[in-house]
Amino acid sequence: ELKVEQNPLFLSMQEGKNYTIYCNYSTTSDRLYWYRQDPGKSLESLFVLLSNGAVKQEGRLMASLDTKARLSTLHITAAVHDLSATYFCAGSNSNSGYALNFGKGTSLLVTP
Amino acid sequence: DADVTQTPRNRITKTGKRIMLECSQTKGHDRMYWYRQDPGLGLRLIYYSFDVKDINKGEISDGYSVSRQAQAKFSLSLESAIPNQTALYFCATSDWPTAGGGSQYFGPGTRLLVL
Repeated sequence: ELKVEQNPLFLSMQEGKNYTIYCNYSTTSDRLYWYRQDPGKSLESLFVLLSNGAVKQEGRLMASLDTKARLSTLHITAAVHDLSATYFCAGSNSNSGYALNFGKGTSLLVTP
Repeated sequence: DADVTQTPRNRITKTGKRIMLECSQTKGHDRMYWYRQDPGLGLRLIYYSFDVKDINKGEISDGYSVSRQAQAKFSLSLESAIPNQTALYFCATSDWPTAGGGSQYFGPGTRLLVL
């Protein structure tokens, strides 16, 4: 069974600072996803990482994947308040029809 | 219009009642999923379906059943609701995981409270 662990679970950071969220997974995952969830809202897809060494960037967020280490990272550059949200990583494989196995989420608060 | 819709958006029910949560999608996807979200636990898979005739249990299917009435509709039922089924329920759809694909698109969620 694919298990996904994120850390940290809670993160408070100042505007303008950089930080990284880590996502480890236990067994082969065909792809790795990052989602964002605002309070009381649904999940918004941020990135899909397909292969070892994949790197994707959107604005102040950059995601990477190391399949050998079974590790994905979400790097935040020069944080702004609008990035405050909960970020989930998730893996999938054919064992459960490519359903997503989620980490517990990282609750990010960006303060002035 | 939203691609994935869920009804109702909020529901309060009593222990022992049967309730149904409905999901519809206009994305034309074959794959549909039901997840449950509890604070601090992330999302967990309840059931998934590849097409009308293919339904599969997920990690936490006990106490739930589903029906895939059409490609676009996937309903989740709680046969006899209990308080620990109080949660936020999400429906999601995806296309086949071809190269670059496989992203799941989530509905707005149904917030369920079982008293």
